[in-house]
Amino acid sequence: NAGVIQTPRHKVTGKGQEATLWCEPISGHSAVFWYRQTIVQGLEFLTYFRNQAPIDDSGMPKERFSAQMPNQSHSTLKIQSTQPQDSAVYLCASSFPWGSTQYFGPGTRLLVL
Amino acid sequence: GDSVTQTEGQVALSEEDFLTIHCNYSASGYPALFWYVQYPGEGPQFLFRASRDKEKGSSRGFEATYNKEATSFHLQKASVQESDSAVYYCALSDPWAQGLTFGLGTRVSVFP
Repeated sequence: NAGVIQTPRHKVTGKGQEATLWCEPISGHSAVFWYRQTIVQGLEFLTYFRNQAPIDDSGMPKERFSAQMPNQSHSTLKIQSTQPQDSAVYLCASSFPWGSTQYFGPGTRLLVL
Repeated sequence: GDSVTQTEGQVALSEEDFLTIHCNYSASGYPALFWYVQYPGEGPQFLFRASRDKEKGSSRGFEATYNKEATSFHLQKASVQESDSAVYYCALSDPWAQGLTFGLGTRVSVFP
């Protein structure tokens, strides 16, 4: 089992550019989660899909951030007009539904210059 | 909202020392509690969980017991090794909000 796959592992963008981060969940997992990790704020929940449907996006910034899950094998997190404060490690996790243990990918380290 | 507090930000130990990391939580419901461990350049790795009062979770010599009255889930290991050096996170999952709420983490450094 390959585990959760995240690409790219590192991304550098200029201020104002768009960044798209990809996540491939563990095969058979129907729940996908996105988190952001920074030194100051720690690990923060962003959004959650179950069976490809968006369930909870209460942690997503209201502007510039969006997430999709077009099929059961991948999810994307898109950040438009990136700002330096968006620099962070973005983590994807997957699980079976309804409170099952979440397994994390290695993360994408985003640096906005 | 829900919250998790880890008392120790950093812990420095010698090999074979006893490790305790204190974790207390605040939640409106009856949450599941977790410990994750994170190594440099990797995502958090699931260590173990407990879902009900007095349940003990354990893995790789680490253990913690769900204490609903004290709202605690303290991590312990009797004899640490250098390979246990990592950042440890306590987390909870509320039944009504599936996303995990994490503590700020405890950096454990074990010296030979």
